[in-house]
Amino acid sequence: KQEVTQIPAALSVPEGENLVLNCSFTDSAIYNLQWFRQDPGKGLTSLLLIQSSQREQTSGRLNASLDKSSGRSTLYIAASQPGDSATYLCAVTNNAGNMLTFGGGTRLMVKP
Amino acid sequence: DGGITQSPKYLFRKEGQNVTLSCEQNLNHDAMYWYRQDPGQGLRLIYYSQIVNDFQKGDIAEGYSVSREKKESFPLTVTSAQKNPTAFYLCASNTPGGGYTEAFFGQGTRLTVV
Repeated sequence: KQEVTQIPAALSVPEGENLVLNCSFTDSAIYNLQWFRQDPGKGLTSLLLIQSSQREQTSGRLNASLDKSSGRSTLYIAASQPGDSATYLCAVTNNAGNMLTFGGGTRLMVKP
Repeated sequence: DGGITQSPKYLFRKEGQNVTLSCEQNLNHDAMYWYRQDPGQGLRLIYYSQIVNDFQKGDIAEGYSVSREKKESFPLTVTSAQKNPTAFYLCASNTPGGGYTEAFFGQGTRLTVV
């Protein structure tokens, strides 16, 4: 059974710092990996999706990498801002593309 | 404006009562999903449906029921058999396989037992 782990569970940084969030998964037979953002009491917003054949995806200050063979992904946030404060979740989709398994999330606080 | 709509945003249930959470999507996605999120935890899959009139149990289906009579709609009923229903419920959709397969989520329903 697929298991997804995110480290650290919580992170507090001063504004302007570059930071890395980590995601690991136990079964490398995945279809894709998605990074989501969740604000308190809200739904999930998709940030980046990496297909299993890709190594990375970029959107603005966000860069996500995928090393499928080692079961790891990282989300890099450049020049962090207080508005980046949220919980970040990674999820892997199984080979059939019909089921996402989520990590427990990293709660990020960016202090002004 | 395409997306997923969940209603209501807040729901209160009395002991022994069944309640139904609504999820509607206009993204023309084939598959729809229900997840439960408890405070400080990740999401756990309750049920999913890949096509109309078909659905499968997820990891924590006990005490829940679903139907998929229309492609756009996937309501979740929390029955009295669910002993700890207080949680945040999220609905998602995608079209599995053969392409982008990005999942989109609704804004959630917070269910509280009173």
